[in-house]
Amino acid sequence: EAGVAQSPRYKIIEKRQSVAFWCNPISGHATLYWYQQILGQGPKLLIQFQNNGVVDDSQLPKDRFSAERLKGVDSTLKIQPAKLEDSAVYLCASSLELTGGVFSSGYEQYFGPGTRLTVT
Amino acid sequence: AQSVSQHNHHVILSEAASLELGCNYSYGGTVNLFWYVQYPGQHLQLLLKYFSGDPLVKGIKGFEAEFIKSKFSFNLRKPSVQWSDTAEYFCAVNPDKLIFGTGTRLQVFP
Repeated sequence: EAGVAQSPRYKIIEKRQSVAFWCNPISGHATLYWYQQILGQGPKLLIQFQNNGVVDDSQLPKDRFSAERLKGVDSTLKIQPAKLEDSAVYLCASSLELTGGVFSSGYEQYFGPGTRLTVT
Repeated sequence: AQSVSQHNHHVILSEAASLELGCNYSYGGTVNLFWYVQYPGQHLQLLLKYFSGDPLVKGIKGFEAEFIKSKFSFNLRKPSVQWSDTAEYFCAVNPDKLIFGTGTRLQVFP
């Protein structure tokens, strides 16, 4: 089966510019996640969708970051305006289901290749 | 706050050596535990997971991990590593969302 697709793979922008990332999850996966992975750290969850609704965006810097998943399939993550500290790899992941915080035994997140963002 | 600690940041081994990577978490309730691996140039992928039952979990490529509840630990082991195990390994805990450790870079030399 096709995996999680992300584009672009690399992006270099100047601070204060805007940028958008795109993710297409595995077909049939209801839950979609965006993570930020800063060099030397593990991925950190930014936002979690189930279908087209937001489940958790508590760690999303909402003054500059936004995300949407309009039709419950693919998703975009936007940064406007970017700061130097936003330089990171942005990972998208998807999973079959998330039911009210109780995870099924089949729960597993599948990750995409990521987008490496450099802000200069 | 919930957190995951991986004690070894960089491990260098020769082929056939045994491996143990430490992982401790801070959360008092029920958790799901995971080890993810990222091979050079590849996606992050699941190595093994623990949800319930036998605390000794076997994963792909000969890896296993043991959940010790009293120690809040989920250490990863492999009796004999190969050059192809060179990768970055992440421990993760999921009380309500996936929380990753900082990762351990493993280098295996022939």
